[in-house]
Amino acid sequence: SQKIEQNSEALNIQEGKTATLTCNYTNYSPAYLQWYRQDPGRGPVFLLLIRENEKEKRKERLKVTFDTTLKQSLFHITASQPADSATYLCALDLSGSARQLTFGSGTQLTVLP
Amino acid sequence: DTAVSQTPKYLVTQMGNDKSIKCEQNLGHDTMYWYKQDSKKFLKIMFSYNNKELIINETVPNRFSPKSPDKAHLNLHINSLELGDSAVYFCASSQDTGGGPYEQYFGPGTRLTVT
Repeated sequence: SQKIEQNSEALNIQEGKTATLTCNYTNYSPAYLQWYRQDPGRGPVFLLLIRENEKEKRKERLKVTFDTTLKQSLFHITASQPADSATYLCALDLSGSARQLTFGSGTQLTVLP
Repeated sequence: DTAVSQTPKYLVTQMGNDKSIKCEQNLGHDTMYWYKQDSKKFLKIMFSYNNKELIINETVPNRFSPKSPDKAHLNLHINSLELGDSAVYFCASSQDTGGGPYEQYFGPGTRLTVT
């Protein structure tokens, strides 16, 4: 069955460093992958989408890579700030119709001042 | 302006009751969704609804039913509530025409507690 795994439930890094979060999946070849941010008590907020034919996507301090051979996406936050502290979720569409996103369990990132 | 809104924010009720959660989006999106996030923070799709086409996650009990009075609303009705239904429920919407894929916009969530 399809499985999505995100590395470590929690990740602590020092302010100013680059945070790297991992999303691995098995038994599927998604056409694209999405990353969301969720703050406590709030709904997820979309950050980035990367397609299977895109190796890398950037948005300000965020960078996402997508390796369909390794079945892995890496999410980087450069020059991290305490305000980046949140849970980050990766999501795949398993239905092919963009209507059934399956989310990973998330990685809780804490950026220490 | 709130893009996706849900009411109520908190819902406490007893086992066996029937309850509804309302969701509205003002983004003009084609598709709306309901997700359940359990105590372990795992977010699971329950339903997606687009132009009268309903896709149901097979793990969702038939006590749960979405109702869409119009394109901007997708309400969640739950019958005979059980303790295991306690969770945070999120509504979301996305544009689903014009060559997607598109990101989803989530509401603030409704925390349901069944006692």
